[in-house]
Amino acid sequence: NAGVTQTPKFQVLKTGQSMTLQCAQDMNHEYMSWYRQDPGMGLRLIHYSVGAGITDQGEVPNGYNVSRSTTEDFPLRLLSAAPSQTSVYFCASRDTGEKLFFGSGTQLSVL
Amino acid sequence: KNEVEQSPQNLTAQEGEFITINCSYSVGISALHWLQQHPGGGIVSLFMLSSGKKKHGRLIATINIQEKHSSLHITASHPRDSAVYICAVRVGGLTFGEGTQLTVNP
Repeated sequence: NAGVTQTPKFQVLKTGQSMTLQCAQDMNHEYMSWYRQDPGMGLRLIHYSVGAGITDQGEVPNGYNVSRSTTEDFPLRLLSAAPSQTSVYFCASRDTGEKLFFGSGTQLSVL
Repeated sequence: KNEVEQSPQNLTAQEGEFITINCSYSVGISALHWLQQHPGGGIVSLFMLSSGKKKHGRLIATINIQEKHSSLHITASHPRDSAVYICAVRVGGLTFGEGTQLTVNP
């Protein structure tokens, strides 16, 4: 099993550009989520999904969209990047025993 | 005020020392997680607790639901334990503490 695969590892965008962060897991987990990590703050939930076709907002959803067309994939879309979205992004899935599995992170800079 | 408070924020220890990291939370929870973030940024799950105590190798995690408090202990600490340790509580979604930076010197 590859676990949770997150791409890209690094990305630089200009203000106003859009992009998609990819997240895939091969463990058949129903629950997947996206977090951002900023200096001096804990990880914050952006969006989550409890299964294919079901998504919901977390603590900081503005400026981000998600979809869950399959159990495996949970992409995060930045619609019009802003400097405030400069952060490190983590995708995670959770098994039925509530153990969490994280992707390796994406360091995003918006200029 | 963050619903999850960790202490200390930074901790430096000598190899072999017993380490304790604390986590306090302010709301009723269904589960508490301890995570380890490596210097390269990767995050791994150490424990999930809803009551009592769990042990894995040199790591021990305890939780007191009535006092809304959890501790992570590391026995016989080693430089490879140097990392950020993060507490997260489940209240619907997860709320994370800011983390404790642990440095273990040889």
